[in-house]
Amino acid sequence: DSGVTQTPKHLITATGQRVTLRCSPRSGDLSVYWYQQSLDQGLQFLIQYYNGEERAKGNILERFSAQQFPDLHSELNLSSLELGDSALYFCASSVADYTEAFFGQGTRLTVV
Amino acid sequence: AQKVTQAQTEISVVEKEDVTLDCVYETRDTTYYLFWYKQPPSGELVFLIRRNSFDEQNEISGRYSWNFQKSTSSFNFTITASQVVDSAVYFCALRQSNDYKLSFGAGTTVTVRA
Repeated sequence: DSGVTQTPKHLITATGQRVTLRCSPRSGDLSVYWYQQSLDQGLQFLIQYYNGEERAKGNILERFSAQQFPDLHSELNLSSLELGDSALYFCASSVADYTEAFFGQGTRLTVV
Repeated sequence: AQKVTQAQTEISVVEKEDVTLDCVYETRDTTYYLFWYKQPPSGELVFLIRRNSFDEQNEISGRYSWNFQKSTSSFNFTITASQVVDSAVYFCALRQSNDYKLSFGAGTTVTVRA
């Protein structure tokens, strides 16, 4: 168990809908990262938050947004969902930027 | 730009055989960090090791060992006496000092047959 908790584990929704993925980082970790894993793109970095502030952005679509709350949990919001958004979404946390990131079990999103 | 190449897509071995996973990286930074992660069939990503660019010492942890060679920009991973539980996808990743994200390779699927 990495100590990073993601909910839900599975999500099935229809095109055009909006969903929210939730992540609780390891105790003491200030950095939270979101990654998307798909068959064609592999593991892609989406966004990072550090202590509530957005720190870095990767290949995140404009339809996607995220935030980190004062208690350090994070949410990834995906809207106007398309079939191509079906993927495994990982949250990870780390103590510092140069240390290892620990990943949650992921949320498998299926858009039908 | 940074890049991680795992040229081996799939490796299949019989239990107790050794298996070596190749990882070649590209970066212009002199300070960077390399990682290996394991993704078993259950799907989670499990951290295995972090290596800093200024530390070229090889490491052994049980049946796992890592060979870091800056001269060839490689960070290879060997599983000795493989077991069925080692069956997973293994990812090599790179983080540059001025970057916050991990850049992952495409992964190598290891299948260990009993």
